Amino acid sequence: EAGVTQSPTHLIKTRGQQATLRCSPISGHTSVYWYQQALGLGLQFLLWYDEGEERNRGNFPPRFSGRQFPNYSSELNVNALELEDSALYLCASSLKGSRSPLHFGNGTRLTVT
Amino acid sequence: AQSVTQPDIHITVSEGASLELRCNYSYGATPYLFWYVQSPGQGLQLLLKYFSGDTLVQGIKGFEAEFKRSQSSFNLRKPSVHWSDAAEYFCAVSDQAGTALIFGKGTTLSVSS
Repeated sequence: EAGVTQSPTHLIKTRGQQATLRCSPISGHTSVYWYQQALGLGLQFLLWYDEGEERNRGNFPPRFSGRQFPNYSSELNVNALELEDSALYLCASSLKGSRSPLHFGNGTRLTVT
Repeated sequence: AQSVTQPDIHITVSEGASLELRCNYSYGATPYLFWYVQSPGQGLQLLLKYFSGDTLVQGIKGFEAEFKRSQSSFNLRKPSVHWSDAAEYFCAVSDQAGTALIFGKGTTLSVSS
């Protein structure tokens, strides 16, 4: 079984630019979650998509957005990048239901200079 | 709002010694509790989970955790630590309503020989 895959592995952008991160869930998983892991801050919940709809959103500004496609893959867009957006962005997928554990990808390391 | 506290930022344990990582949560209803482990440069891997029933749960890699409702705790334990256990450990909480998983800030485990 292929795991959650994220691309790119690393991304370097300049302040003010836009970044697009992609995630392919495990086959059969309909829920996709995005987390930001910044140094010293742990994992901060960003977004949750299920069957194409945004189900929940963390405490992040609107310039963090995303979508889920009909094949359940997802992308995270970060507009007007700021230096503090530099972090590891983790995507996770799960089956429907709150008892279903999250399966994580290895993340995209975003560096904003 | 739900919250998870991991009081220890960094712990060093001798190889072969026992381990206990602390986790306290704040939540009104019965929480769903999880422990994840993250090795350097990797995503998170699920160690174990608790939903209901027996308060002592067994996980992978010889880990176990005990849910204590009176103390709002879900501490992770291992009787004998191996050098390969060195990693970052995250406690997380969710609920029956399916809110997204909320993580603690993590505890870094170092293993000395």
